[in-house]
Amino acid sequence: AQSVTQLGSHVSVSEGALVLLRCNYSSSVPPYLFWYVQYPNQGLQLLLKYTTGATLVKGINGFEAEFKKSETSFHLTKPSAHMSDAAEYFCAVTKGTKYIFGTGTRLKVLA
Amino acid sequence: DGGITQSPKYLFRKEGQNVTLSCEQNLNHDAMYWYRQDPGQGLRLIYYSQIVNDFQKGDIAEGYSVSREKKESFPLTVTSAQKNPTAFYLCASSTSGTSYEQYFGPGTRLTVT
Repeated sequence: AQSVTQLGSHVSVSEGALVLLRCNYSSSVPPYLFWYVQYPNQGLQLLLKYTTGATLVKGINGFEAEFKKSETSFHLTKPSAHMSDAAEYFCAVTKGTKYIFGTGTRLKVLA
Repeated sequence: DGGITQSPKYLFRKEGQNVTLSCEQNLNHDAMYWYRQDPGQGLRLIYYSQIVNDFQKGDIAEGYSVSREKKESFPLTVTSAQKNPTAFYLCASSTSGTSYEQYFGPGTRLTVT
């Protein structure tokens, strides 16, 4: 059965530092994978997605993620954190006609 | 502009009352979804619909009901049978087929006292 694990419910980084948010999935078939961002009291917005093809996926706001089948991972990175990146981030995988979301990682950016 | 609207943004109800949350989309999407969000628990699926006049229960459907009479609309009713209804509710839509991303509304925060 498909599931998603996000390691670390809270992550803090300094402004300008590398952002790394971890996502591991379990799936018996090649998955479709997504990263979403949520700002306080708002809906989710798509950052990027992997369906097929190139395993390094670039998204909005300078984020990217790499699909690693051997590690069943889809970690989200950004080379240099900005204060505006402070938000909650969700990894998701599809299961049939449904989407399974991780429990989220709240990113704090320190000045 | 295309998108999803949810109304109202904040909703307050007394225990024992049913309440209906609105969700409308003009993206021409076939599929629509309702999620509940509680701190530290991510998004949990309540109901979803792949086509008009058809819908399926998600993981936490007890105490909720939906209808899908129009492609654009997917209202959610929180009934008095829902034991702990206070939460943030998110509606989403997508093109049918799971390689497509979901588009989310801004959410409704329901408080029941």
